Amino acid sequence: QKEVEQNSGPLSVPEGAIASLNCTYSDRVSQSFFWYRQYSGKSPELIMSIYSNGDKEDGRFTAQLNKASQYVSLLIRDSQPSDSATYLCAVTLGNYKLTFGKGTLLTVNP
Amino acid sequence: DGGITQSPKYLFRKEGQNVTLSCEQNLNHDAMYWYRQDPGQGLRLIYYSQIVNDFQKGDIAEGYSVSREKKESFPLTVTSAQKNPTAFYLCASSGTSLDTQYFGPGTRLTVL
Repeated sequence: QKEVEQNSGPLSVPEGAIASLNCTYSDRVSQSFFWYRQYSGKSPELIMSIYSNGDKEDGRFTAQLNKASQYVSLLIRDSQPSDSATYLCAVTLGNYKLTFGKGTLLTVNP
Repeated sequence: DGGITQSPKYLFRKEGQNVTLSCEQNLNHDAMYWYRQDPGQGLRLIYYSQIVNDFQKGDIAEGYSVSREKKESFPLTVTSAQKNPTAFYLCASSGTSLDTQYFGPGTRLTVL
């Protein structure tokens, strides 16, 4: 059973649109949830962390967490070509282990 | 300028050789991690260390070894026992094992 699942994409959106990235996880006791962005050939960089149910906004990014449904999402408003990257969902399973999904490739078309 | 450094950026290994990847951080973080990433795959944990002089195996530790003699340093050795070592290797650190992890720039290892 996969622990953290993401749609591999590619997800293609036009510039200025909202991009919606989704992630489900298997461990009901997970406490910490992260979204990382990874450009091709580069290392992951943290975009958002979220720990409680609801929405968390940071600039054009909004993370949404629903622990009952074991679901976390990332919305990117006013998408820009520079947002084109692979987005990795990561979930803390148990007390320490950070488990990553395989990532969703996002392409923003000018 | 705080951060995590990894060297070298690119590394080529011949069959039967051991190679060591360097990871250094000046963030005063207690916890450090090594991940491996293959094309189209997520990150898989190789080893992690929560404190100096202590480390634990991750999900894919076979063929790898580490040491943690200093808080700032967590080198990874890829031994000849690792049969498919070609991959992108990422080092990360966090304040504690429960905190957000931050990544170094990575080392791309290729077996010739």
